[in-house]
Amino acid sequence: DAMVIQNPRYQVTQFGKPVTLSCSQTLNHNVMYWYQQKSSQAPKLLFHYYDKDFNNEADTPDNFQSRRPNTSFCFLDIRSPGLGDAAMYLCATSGPRTGGTYSNQPQHFGDGTRLSIL
Amino acid sequence: AQSVTQPDIHITVSEGASLELRCNYSYGATPYLFWYVQSPGQGLQLLLKYFSGDTLVQGIKGFEAEFKRSQSSFNLRKPSVHWSDAAEYFCAVAEYGNKLVFGAGTILRVKS
Repeated sequence: DAMVIQNPRYQVTQFGKPVTLSCSQTLNHNVMYWYQQKSSQAPKLLFHYYDKDFNNEADTPDNFQSRRPNTSFCFLDIRSPGLGDAAMYLCATSGPRTGGTYSNQPQHFGDGTRLSIL
Repeated sequence: AQSVTQPDIHITVSEGASLELRCNYSYGATPYLFWYVQSPGQGLQLLLKYFSGDTLVQGIKGFEAEFKRSQSSFNLRKPSVHWSDAAEYFCAVAEYGNKLVFGAGTILRVKS
C-alpha cells in the first residue's frame, strides 16, 4: 500500500544533542509537511516543501531545519533540542496543485515520531 | 487569520448512540474543510473533506459531515457509535498553500 512512513517511532535524545527524524513516502506526492504536536494540542505546521521549494512558517524556531533530497524523503533536523521540543512530530504529504494554484488536496499523515529529551 | 473552533474538549457517548462533534470556522472565502481522527500514538487519518458542491459529505467508517455556510459550521456526525470510534477528532480548514489550520480537537470516549 502507498503510504507515509516515519522512522523511528520513538526517539530519545539528550538536551542539546542534534537529532534527525526521517519521513519517506510511496505516494509520489509533490508536497511534504512537518508538524509538531505537543501533548493534548493540535498539530502545528513547522514547514513544508513543494517539490524542492522550501516554505518555512514565520514562527518556526531557527533550531528546526529540514532537508528534502528527493521526492520520496524528507528530514527534520533539530540542531539543539531543548526540553520544550519534546513532542510528536508528524510528517504529511499531499498531491500536486492544479491550474496554477494549490488544489487543496487532502494531506496524508504518517504515524509520527515521538521525541523525548533527557 | 483563519481559525477553527471545536467547543467540546471531551465528549462521552454510549455505544450505539448517535454522535455529533461540533466545528466552527472563520474563513473569508469558500473554505476547504476536513475532519481527521487520531488514535493514541498514531498519526492522523482523513475521515472526510468538503471542497464544494453537496453540503452533506460522506466519509469513511460511517461518518458524515454537513457544511452550513450561514452558521460557519462543519459538524461531524455518526448515527451509531462503536467502541472503536474512541479517539481524538480534529476539524481543519485549508489556507492558501494548503496549510491546515486545526481546531484544538475533541476527545471521544465511548462507554459500553
